[in-house]
Amino acid sequence: SAVISQKPSRDICQRGTSLTIQCQVDSQVTMMFWYRQQPGQSLTLIATANQGSEATYESGFVIDKFPISRPNLTFSTLTVSNMSPEDSSIYLCSVPGSTTGITSGYTFGSGTRLTVV
Amino acid sequence: QKEVEQNSGPLSVPEGAIASLNCTYSDRGSQSFFWYRQYSGKSPELIMSIYSNGDKEDGRFTAQLNKASQYVSLLIRDSQPSDSATYLCAVKAYSSASKIIFGSGTRLSIRP
Repeated sequence: SAVISQKPSRDICQRGTSLTIQCQVDSQVTMMFWYRQQPGQSLTLIATANQGSEATYESGFVIDKFPISRPNLTFSTLTVSNMSPEDSSIYLCSVPGSTTGITSGYTFGSGTRLTVV
Repeated sequence: QKEVEQNSGPLSVPEGAIASLNCTYSDRGSQSFFWYRQYSGKSPELIMSIYSNGDKEDGRFTAQLNKASQYVSLLIRDSQPSDSATYLCAVKAYSSASKIIFGSGTRLSIRP
């Protein structure tokens, strides 16, 4: 099962600035997924990151606000641009595979807790 | 209508009892169904997956799927305080082979 290293684990940022979140996977994966989890809410898919092509964004999310890079099959970054307090959330990357021995479903990184002030 | 619906809870269950968590989904063509457990401040952890109608058991956990009713449930037997967490139902969308849609989660509390 894939092991994901996500960083930073948390950050406090000023409004108007940008933050880049990194996810490193210990094995090659075709797809990586970026989710957002707002306080007390469930997970919302932001985009699917494909190696060698542009990310596929879900409704309500745009590339200018959440640019994604996928330079190879083990790494991806998500940038939260021009941040506002509404962007305060937990951001998680995810890849196919599981750490609990269940071969289907997806594994999540440890998450990045972002607070915008 | 939300794509995946769960009762937000909190659901309070005495220690040793059976906890029953329910989920409905809207996409009749969905093929794969998952239950994730999320402790406060942690990322979700996959605990069960189910693909066919009927029951699937793994230790104290049993997942149940009824595609005709578009209904998925998770039973936790002999509930322990360590089972206190938020449980997320997730469905793999038929229209996109790799995308998973999450419900809002049910907060479960096991009282001693």
